[in-house]
Amino acid sequence: AQSVTQLGSHVSVSEGALVLLRCNYSSSVPPYLFWYVQYPNQGLQLLLKYTSAATLVKGINGFEAEFKKSETSFHLTKPSAHMSDAAEYFCAVSGEAAGNKLTFGGGTRVLVKP
Amino acid sequence: GAGVSQSPSNKVTEKGKDVELRCDPISGHTALYWYRQSLGQGLEFLIYFQGNSAPDKSGLPSDRFSAERTGGSVSTLTIQRTQQEDSAVYLCASSLGPDRGVKLFFGSGTQLSVL
Repeated sequence: AQSVTQLGSHVSVSEGALVLLRCNYSSSVPPYLFWYVQYPNQGLQLLLKYTSAATLVKGINGFEAEFKKSETSFHLTKPSAHMSDAAEYFCAVSGEAAGNKLTFGGGTRVLVKP
Repeated sequence: GAGVSQSPSNKVTEKGKDVELRCDPISGHTALYWYRQSLGQGLEFLIYFQGNSAPDKSGLPSDRFSAERTGGSVSTLTIQRTQQEDSAVYLCASSLGPDRGVKLFFGSGTQLSVL
């Protein structure tokens, strides 16, 4: 079975500061990992994904994440926060079988202070 | 349309009533998913359709919940005898295929409020 833990349900960062969102996973098979972002009153949008290629994955809007098997982690970072980054971020792991049923973490809401 | 379309965007109903939520996936996407997003529960998988295969209903919370997908396109999620704990945002997603790692495209959801 798969599970995802996101540390911190809320994160506050200053504009221009580093954004770091933590994600740890559990999977009985080699994992496929995702970060999705949800802006208010919108659906989820894919930021980036890891599918067993390069361990450092670059996504949209300047975000990147690094897959660390030894730590079972897939933390999301952005060097410099922008006001438009205020949103909720979800880490997810793909299911074992075909069908790509995702198991999501609880989400981290990011507040960006001017 | 260009994206996944869900209707209605908001639904208020009385406890005990039945509701139907609709999802129009992206044209050509063979896989369709329903998720529920609620406070305290996060995002929960409900049901998955792939082509003409039997749906994976493993996430449906009770037999009051059902879904169908007609013609491999539009899907309807039905909740019978709604309860207050059914209040949540119901999200639909579609993808090109069932492979692990494929990108899911989400609709904006239906906010269901059961009074």
